[in-house]
Amino acid sequence: EVQLQQSGAELVKPGASVKLSCKTSGYTFSNYYMSWLKQMPGQNIEWIGNIYGGNGGTGYNQKFKGKATLTVDKSSSTAYMDLSSLTSEDSAVYFCARKGYYGYNSYFDYWGQGVMVTVSS
Amino acid sequence: DIQMTQSPASLSASLGETVSIECLASEGISNDLAWYQQKSGKSPQLLIYAASRLQDGVPSRFSGSGSGTRYSLKISGMQPEDEADYFCQQSYKYPPTFGSGTKLEIK
Repeated sequence: EVQLQQSGAELVKPGASVKLSCKTSGYTFSNYYMSWLKQMPGQNIEWIGNIYGGNGGTGYNQKFKGKATLTVDKSSSTAYMDLSSLTSEDSAVYFCARKGYYGYNSYFDYWGQGVMVTVSS
Repeated sequence: DIQMTQSPASLSASLGETVSIECLASEGISNDLAWYQQKSGKSPQLLIYAASRLQDGVPSRFSGSGSGTRYSLKISGMQPEDEADYFCQQSYKYPPTFGSGTKLEIK
């Protein structure tokens, strides 16, 4: 059974950084891309970027370049996302999601449970 | 970025009723379209991919159709457990983008 287990809720001060984790099981981590997504109340889900489990190759949404840094630890099948210089606009629920493929089509077939990040002094 | 315009924003349906949700892309996306269901406080769950293919384990009352820029999700026979938010999402061009969502409630 494919599972993506995210780390717990975070309360961080403005200007600080936070590192979120997404520990996977039930599939070959190095064969798939992992994406990170942001969901704020009342707003569209936003794709932040993705990282390939095999070699750590990354791709980012231009909007989140400089804000998010994605890494992986293949030995523990875990993906990470660092968020830096946090402001109130970064308060949101963040999801990791595995990227699945059907021919040239792709989609997010498994999701973590989400983690709430609250930026407040 | 490709804009995904989803309608309606909210919808009420009686049990057993058939409902449809529409998604309009700002340019052609060649059926690279997925639909997700998100229940309150939970993560999104994949329902449909490649516009019309049903994800394993998803009830057959869910179906997807469309082409070019227009796509739709149909629920044939509303069930209590279908009360949720629904989102469309394109992966045809980077970055992947989502519709604004449809809140489906039981009447």
